[in-house]
Amino acid sequence: DAKTTQPPSMDCAEGRAANLPCNHSTISGNEYVYWYRQIHSQGPQYIIHGLKNNETNEMASLIITEDRKSSTLILPHATLRDTAVYYCIVRVVGGGADGLTFGKGTHLIIQP
Amino acid sequence: NAGVTQTPKFQVLKTGQSMTLQCAQDMNHNSMYWYRQDPGMGLRLIYYSASEGTTDKGEVPNGYNVSRLNKREFSLRLESAAPSQTSVYFCASSVDSPYEQYFGPGTRLTVT
Repeated sequence: DAKTTQPPSMDCAEGRAANLPCNHSTISGNEYVYWYRQIHSQGPQYIIHGLKNNETNEMASLIITEDRKSSTLILPHATLRDTAVYYCIVRVVGGGADGLTFGKGTHLIIQP
Repeated sequence: NAGVTQTPKFQVLKTGQSMTLQCAQDMNHNSMYWYRQDPGMGLRLIYYSASEGTTDKGEVPNGYNVSRLNKREFSLRLESAAPSQTSVYFCASSVDSPYEQYFGPGTRLTVT
């Protein structure tokens, strides 16, 4: 699986959009981009994933650049409950149920 | 629908003792996983099971054994606990690879 690079921490004001970047310059054509988050002491929570098109669900939007070398997770109206560590993960689709490779992620702090 | 449940929530062991961590899911998922998370780090895969009756090693399998008892249950056994196994252990399940994984609340294990 390709390696990802994320800033260690970010701040965002409550009610504003939180934009979390991820660099995955070595991504290959059959690798998806996944985002998970981990609120303090809890198990990670799936947020969204995509291959090359932008994706949106009830939690967030995922913007993937045309060359697929980077992506941005957008939380449109951040709340205090969005304070968490956010993990960007790149992995190959198919070939068996291998696990996820977690880096250190970005610690997002939502300020009141 | 409880999702993924783990028992116990907390455990303290002495070096050399053995124990089994239990995990169960009620979502009819095929794949199940065990991860460990050390302080300030991302999760690392210990073992996974693509389907009932199969198990495979992940990134850090040494010192652990697993059993996929049936489709619902996947247990992790420490035969002779060591202080280096002090960690938070998370179980997860997914319909199949590459779909999103759902995580349990974790077991906090301390080995003295």
